[in-house]
Amino acid sequence: DAKTTQPPSMDCAEGRAANLPCNHSTISGNEYVYWYRQIHSQGPQYIIHGLKNNETNEMASLIITEDRKSSTLILPHATLRDTAVYYCIVRDRGGSEKLVFGKGTKLTVNP
Amino acid sequence: GAVVSQHPSRVICKSGTSVKIECRSLDFQATTMFWYRQFPKQSLMLMATSNEGSKATYEQGVEKDKFLINHASLTLSTLTVTSAHPEDSSFYICSATGLHEQFFGPGTRLTVL
Repeated sequence: DAKTTQPPSMDCAEGRAANLPCNHSTISGNEYVYWYRQIHSQGPQYIIHGLKNNETNEMASLIITEDRKSSTLILPHATLRDTAVYYCIVRDRGGSEKLVFGKGTKLTVNP
Repeated sequence: GAVVSQHPSRVICKSGTSVKIECRSLDFQATTMFWYRQFPKQSLMLMATSNEGSKATYEQGVEKDKFLINHASLTLSTLTVTSAHPEDSSFYICSATGLHEQFFGPGTRLTVL
């Protein structure tokens, strides 16, 4: 079973920031928070991951609360191409660890 | 990021036939690859973990004799759906592990008539 809970859907206006929340209250000390997204009929795409510090890359920012029980993925300037299902996943960092996908959040960016 | 390819991208077959799907890591070596299945409007479900040079590990409820996995090299894993039936119609996705991330292929749409 997935260890995370996410809202099933969200809407965002084009050009605005999209803030996608994720709860992972049972996360253990050695587990990282990963975010992937899946555009319709494509394979998932890696976005970002973090342990406890906030992280930023060219795609997004990841804000993790101090108690690590929740996090927020931020797309600073959403575009129509960001419409996708976003998955928040917690797991050990080792590459051979399997990913367990929950239902994710369907983000719709509106013009 | 790293590139993972799948072939074919789409396949239609008759009931009772077998279908082979290839998953390749194009610019890195992957000791571990994963196979997922996704039905319409559902999330990805892990089917099996494939390790180079050893037998695959199947998730509960996945028939190993029906979904044959071969991981003969560090850049290639294959999934063969044997004696396919219409209920096997799905979107099959593979992933290959880099040092810390998994990179996903574009998926294979299987339709069994």
